[in-house]
Amino acid sequence: QLQLQESGPGLVKPSETLSLTCTVSGGSISSTSYYWAWVRQPPGQGLEWIGGIYYSGGTYYNPSLKSRVTMSVDTSKNQFSLKLRSVTAADTAVYYCARVGGFYWGQGILVTVSS
Amino acid sequence: QAVVTQEPSLTVSPGGTVTLTCGSSTGVVTSGHYPYWFQQKPGQAPRTLIYDISSKHSWTPARFSGSLLGGKAALTLSGAQPEDEADYYCLLSYSGSRPVFGGGTKLTVL
Repeated sequence: QLQLQESGPGLVKPSETLSLTCTVSGGSISSTSYYWAWVRQPPGQGLEWIGGIYYSGGTYYNPSLKSRVTMSVDTSKNQFSLKLRSVTAADTAVYYCARVGGFYWGQGILVTVSS
Repeated sequence: QAVVTQEPSLTVSPGGTVTLTCGSSTGVVTSGHYPYWFQQKPGQAPRTLIYDISSKHSWTPARFSGSLLGGKAALTLSGAQPEDEADYYCLLSYSGSRPVFGGGTKLTVL
């Protein structure tokens, strides 16, 4: 059964870089049938698409975040990652990783931006 | 960037039927938008109910169904249960692989 698990710091200081990793189990990240994504949800708000990445490394990002986002994939570890630079309090949210193709979600990780 | 619209809130009686819709600012929603529907309860991660307009996961209750209706994607709940009270989000994909979420519908079963 496919499972995704986010990991990373739960607290990041303003102006620093948020870094998260998603570990995929029960399936290969190298499948050509799917791609992998990050989604976030600020407290009390709706879902926001951050970006997606293919196992080959091809990426596409939400235009509103594109200048600050980098996603990468490590097929040897069956993981993919998110980096969001120059964070502010507005980036405080639950961050979810997901497989797009049926859309399977991780459980989410709350990241708070605060000094 | 396209805007995806959903009803902010809807109420359904227990045992009743309700249809949630998902529209696009770019025009008619088609199969090419690969509509998804997600259910989210407080404090939980979203759960995928419907993908590719009407396909269901093994965990999707039979009372939920997806379709295209009147130029929009639609999620119909037939025979609402108290446990169906939740937020529902749709997702549409656009050219260039830039999916956009709707703002969500808060469904009350009352």
